[in-house]
Amino acid sequence: DTGVSQNPRHKITKRGQNVTFRCDPISEHNRLYWYRQTLGQGPEFLTYFQNEAQLEKSRLLSDRFSAERPKGSFSTLEIQRTEQGDSAMYLCASSRGQSYGYTFGSGTRLTVV
Amino acid sequence: AQTVTQSQPEMSVQEAETVTLSCTYDTSENNYYLFWYKQPPSRQMILVIRQEAYKQQNATENRFSVNFQKAAKSFSLKISDSQLGDTAMYFCAFMKTGGGADGLTFGKGTHLIIQP
Repeated sequence: DTGVSQNPRHKITKRGQNVTFRCDPISEHNRLYWYRQTLGQGPEFLTYFQNEAQLEKSRLLSDRFSAERPKGSFSTLEIQRTEQGDSAMYLCASSRGQSYGYTFGSGTRLTVV
Repeated sequence: AQTVTQSQPEMSVQEAETVTLSCTYDTSENNYYLFWYKQPPSRQMILVIRQEAYKQQNATENRFSVNFQKAAKSFSLKISDSQLGDTAMYFCAFMKTGGGADGLTFGKGTHLIIQP
């Protein structure tokens, strides 16, 4: 169990650019989640995968956001045409079931300048 | 929709003291899970303790215990014999059971500072 890995740890981008983050969950976990956390707030749910199927998307996830989980393994989160309001910590978590809680990664901190 | 409220933005106690962090939630669900997560300055969220709503017995994990009052929709965390390493943000979180999305709903957190 090597934990949940997220890359990159930090990303600085210019407004209007596209960015992509990667999450490698714990291998035996079939559930994968993306959250966004802004300063002084708790994480907010973005989207959820069970295996390769994206089962839920939050209303926070605008059309500029897309997430994939090909083959039910790693996941990517892409933000197109970034805006300053997208600046946040993007957290990935995985789980083997509802009652077990999540294992979180260290997050990707995005700064849009 | 569920809401989670943590009314203490920041707390500070001396090392070895006992501290209680409060959490209340609002839901129409009868079956759900409650969690406390710790987020140290390194930013990785760590699960501290979890509670199933159908269990009346309060969960305990070493120095961490909860006081779960289902009727009052209250879920407080007690940390006994606090240590410097307990300094972190603590988030209370709710998850409903059953079908559909099972995302966690978090409170805004309590910043706990353990003073030497």
